Amino acid sequence: EAGVAQSPRYKIIEKRQSVAFWCNPISGHATLYWYQQILGQGPKLLIQFQNNGVVDDSQLPKDRFSAERLKGVDSTLKIQPAKLEDSAVYLCASSFLRDGETQYFGPGTRLLVL
Amino acid sequence: SQQGEEDPQALSIQEGENATMNCSYKTSINNLQWYRQNSGRGLVHLILIRSNEREKHSGRLRVTLDTSKKSSSLLITASRAADTASYFCAMRSGGSYIPTFGRGTSLIVHP
Repeated sequence: EAGVAQSPRYKIIEKRQSVAFWCNPISGHATLYWYQQILGQGPKLLIQFQNNGVVDDSQLPKDRFSAERLKGVDSTLKIQPAKLEDSAVYLCASSFLRDGETQYFGPGTRLLVL
Repeated sequence: SQQGEEDPQALSIQEGENATMNCSYKTSINNLQWYRQNSGRGLVHLILIRSNEREKHSGRLRVTLDTSKKSSSLLITASRAADTASYFCAMRSGGSYIPTFGRGTSLIVHP
């Protein structure tokens, strides 16, 4: 079974630029999560999708972050414009059920904003 | 949303020794999970324990849950250098479908 795929693995941008991350979850997993993990901290949930609907986006900075999962499969997370404090690893995870009892994580995208 | 707190923040042991890390939380939970994260990688699910369970085992892993103390512990027996990683607890509470993670324990196992 293929795991959660993410791209790119690394990205370096300057502040005020835009960046987009892509995630393809495990086939058949209805629930998809985007997390932000700042160095030395645990993952913080940004947004959770159930199929193509949003379950929770209360911690997503909506003035600069956006995410979509149009066909209920893969997803894109965008930051526009980026700030220095957005430097982090962005993790995508998926789970079969909405309760997310077991989440399967991708390798993450490491973002550095200069 | 609540966040678990792992203790200690860092742990350094020799291969073959046991490693114990703890997670405390603030409000009632539905279940608690432990994840491992190797450097530069995503998280890997290790074990889930439900609120009505007290202990679970998986290979060299033993997880306990004390709901009266609002705490859980992860024990890795006979540790190996490959166990070097960060370990996180994650929990769901109340009717929330949203899991929240602690800050993690960084474990180093010296060969």
